[in-house]
Amino acid sequence: EAQVTQNPRYLITVTGKKLTVTCSQNMNHEYMSWYRQDPGLGLRQIYYSMNVEVTDKGDVPEGYKVSRKEKRNFPLILESPSPNQTSLYFCASSKQGVGEKLFFGSGTQLSVL
Amino acid sequence: AQKVTQAQTEISVVEKEDVTLDCVYETRDTTYYLFWYKQPPSGELVFLIRRNSFDEQNEISGRYSWNFQKSTSSFNFTITASQVVDSAVYFCALSSYRAGTALIFGKGTTLSVSS
Repeated sequence: EAQVTQNPRYLITVTGKKLTVTCSQNMNHEYMSWYRQDPGLGLRQIYYSMNVEVTDKGDVPEGYKVSRKEKRNFPLILESPSPNQTSLYFCASSKQGVGEKLFFGSGTQLSVL
Repeated sequence: AQKVTQAQTEISVVEKEDVTLDCVYETRDTTYYLFWYKQPPSGELVFLIRRNSFDEQNEISGRYSWNFQKSTSSFNFTITASQVVDSAVYFCALSSYRAGTALIFGKGTTLSVSS
């Protein structure tokens, strides 16, 4: 089954404790992206990757890191999480990017205390 | 500027009513793409439709229909004979080369359908 898998589904952590949210897709997509969803703000892009080893900032990249060492994986790293990063996070992928339907993972609800 | 506006924050209807969700977009690109996604209470994002800027034909899929009007920069979504299972947050989104690779989302409309 074609899918984007992200883990964990729920995560509670404390300020400053490094964490990684994993994302993997099995559709051989070139493009992958991370979004965060906050009430009243909709979904905003954090980082995206057009291909392996190519990543770029989205609209809200501060406090986040990503890497794209393999086509299928695109982990999101919070090296020193803060309470304002409490949010619902979505990983997404598509064949090439602009104009393409995005396939989304099921989301990760992160709470930073 | 690339922007998507969903002016209706929340809509409440009773089952079997028709409901229209408004979406207005802004872009200077002549080639762009519009999307609707549904987010049910379970939280996942479900793709509903993709339309490119050169295709102004309206689309109907079962109880769902979409009206794309370039003259008013709108891409409205109508649910006919709404059902409780239609209760969700609905997002309109825009993709264009000027916006880069981001899918730009509106802030969403929460639809509540009661029985």
